[in-house]
Amino acid sequence: GENVGLHLPTLSVQEGDNSIINCAYSNSASDYFIWYKQESGKGPQFIIDIRSNMDKRQGQRVTVLLNKTVKHLSLQIAATQPGDSAVYFCAENMAGTYKYIFGTGTRLKVLA
Amino acid sequence: DGGITQSPKYLFRKEGQNVTLSCEQNLNHDAMYWYRQDPGQGLRLIYYSQIVNDFQKGDIAEGYSVSREKKESFPLTVTSAQKNPTAFYLCASSAGGDYGYTFGSGTRLTVV
Repeated sequence: GENVGLHLPTLSVQEGDNSIINCAYSNSASDYFIWYKQESGKGPQFIIDIRSNMDKRQGQRVTVLLNKTVKHLSLQIAATQPGDSAVYFCAENMAGTYKYIFGTGTRLKVLA
Repeated sequence: DGGITQSPKYLFRKEGQNVTLSCEQNLNHDAMYWYRQDPGQGLRLIYYSQIVNDFQKGDIAEGYSVSREKKESFPLTVTSAQKNPTAFYLCASSAGGDYGYTFGSGTRLTVV
């Protein structure tokens, strides 16, 4: 049905602190996961991905952690900057399918 | 440069009118998608297409229609049957399940 009234959770962090954004994914058979960043009025952009045969993957200032036991994904942003303010979505995919399932999203606000 | 282009960026519709949103990609991707995003909410799948001349309904297809006559193009028509069309519409394309989505910059539709 329609998700009427569903609002995004918000995470507020001080500039320079580390941010941790969490996501509970839905399908235990999913084997590929992506984090997207969406700035206001723009389309989502790829940040980092991870496959189910990994527990951790690091990029520039970002780290994704995968816990398959509890179907949990997290995105860690080091030394958060004002430009990191955006909505962050996780997405999951099952091998052999073209369709991704998106999480609800988390709004990150960076405080000066 | 390869990419995915949505047009127009802003669109105004009178009640009772049909409008068509354009989505074009030159990435040679097989799959294309349409998502709807309401303020403060996540992405909801409207329609998707894995191959030319074939498409499937997503979670909220009522009041929308699509066509996929060319690999590069996947236009979305918002019909008068869609009772609450004001939203941000995102088009995406993908080369397959392991490659994630490339998103367009979105079209903001407002009913006046």
